[in-house]
Amino acid sequence: GAVVSQHPSRVICKSGTSVKIECRSLDFQATTMFWYRQFPKQSLMLMATSNEGSKATYEQGVEKDKFLINHASLTLSTLTVTSAHPEDSSFYICSALSSLNNNEQFFGPGTRLTVL
Amino acid sequence: SQQGEEDPQALSIQEGENATMNCSYKTSINNLQWYRQNSGRGLVHLILIRSNEREKHSGRLRVTLDTSKKSSSLLITASRAADTASYFCATDPSGNTPLVFGKGTRLSVIA
Repeated sequence: GAVVSQHPSRVICKSGTSVKIECRSLDFQATTMFWYRQFPKQSLMLMATSNEGSKATYEQGVEKDKFLINHASLTLSTLTVTSAHPEDSSFYICSALSSLNNNEQFFGPGTRLTVL
Repeated sequence: SQQGEEDPQALSIQEGENATMNCSYKTSINNLQWYRQNSGRGLVHLILIRSNEREKHSGRLRVTLDTSKKSSSLLITASRAADTASYFCATDPSGNTPLVFGKGTRLSVIA
């Protein structure tokens, strides 16, 4: 089956620093990936759609200058949380669309970000 | 993206009992999916039901879909303590758009 990885799985950083999270489709190409955020005891909320070779589209209320998305290749999308603050602490999950699997989405295992 | 609703928000049952969770959504869909998430972990895909299907089984799981009512249910039979987790429904509006997640049901199965 299609596999999506995320790195790192867990990161702790100081307030004001930037953190980069990688999302990779390991055995398929994904022109489209999605980034979700999940706060404790809440559901997943879509942050942005990442399209290979073009700018990401952001959901309302998500700052594009704070959450930088780069989808430079067909197997890699990165999310950079710039100048992180404690309120950015969350579980970040990506998914990748597989055209070979009827456009099903496959989720990464998530990245737990803690900002001190 | 607007979330659907799930009920109950929390459910506590004894091991061996059946657990039923319901999901309602707002827009037309291509398919509906159910996921499980253990505390602090990633999502585990359980089952996908397409808009032209009414019922689907997978092991101890049974999913129904009623597109006229825009609702779905997930039944877990003969529950086990290991089934303790949060369960989310997610709708796929058109096949290449992001999934829209429900708010989830926290299931506790007591041994």
